[in-house]
Amino acid sequence: EIVLTQSPGTLSLSPGERATLSCRASQSVSNSFLAWYQQKPGQAPRLLIYHASNRVVGIPDRFSGSGSETDFTLTISRLEPEDFAVYYCQQYSSSSSRTFGQGTKVEFK
Amino acid sequence: QVQLVESGGGLVNPGGSLRLSCVASGLTFSDYYMSWIRQTPRKGLEWVSYIDPSGRPIYYADSVKGRFTISRDNAKNSLYLQMNSLGAEDTALYYCARGHHGLEFWGQGTTVSVSS
Repeated sequence: EIVLTQSPGTLSLSPGERATLSCRASQSVSNSFLAWYQQKPGQAPRLLIYHASNRVVGIPDRFSGSGSETDFTLTISRLEPEDFAVYYCQQYSSSSSRTFGQGTKVEFK
Repeated sequence: QVQLVESGGGLVNPGGSLRLSCVASGLTFSDYYMSWIRQTPRKGLEWVSYIDPSGRPIYYADSVKGRFTISRDNAKNSLYLQMNSLGAEDTALYYCARGHHGLEFWGQGTTVSVSS
């Protein structure tokens, strides 16, 4: 099983600042089959990025994903008030493997 | 727009069974893989199972293999999760979602509580 470790656990930032979230895999994620989600309290996760760097239609371009193999990053270029939430990475490397990271909370500083 | 509505959750005794349902609208249901995901405060998000468009189960998490069965009825635009031999560790919010890679559409979830 591929274990995804997200860091930091909590990121304390102010609106307008840049957020850099890390997701490290215990083994290579084939084809960069990695997604990022945003979740707010009381809501289901929302898909932001798939295949490591492809933004879902309707997601603002301040969200970007990068990385390959074992190291992936979600960047929010300038935080808006609505971006304060928990972010999860998730891999879909093979048909027998699906795991999520434990999440990074982006909170108001 | 795509809507997924789960039902069937509730309180069940350890060792008991539940069947979750998810009704889809706003999409051609029979075109898509479908998944069940669960979430707890302690363990976070866990991908439980997914099924291909024709009804073939593809994946079960190790934690549910042999106890849970995923199925679908394309004529009814419905996805199911039969859960047997439930234990406290199965207590969670259960979501259905469209897809099997990145999950673009999710329901609001149904809560399963396993307790005596």
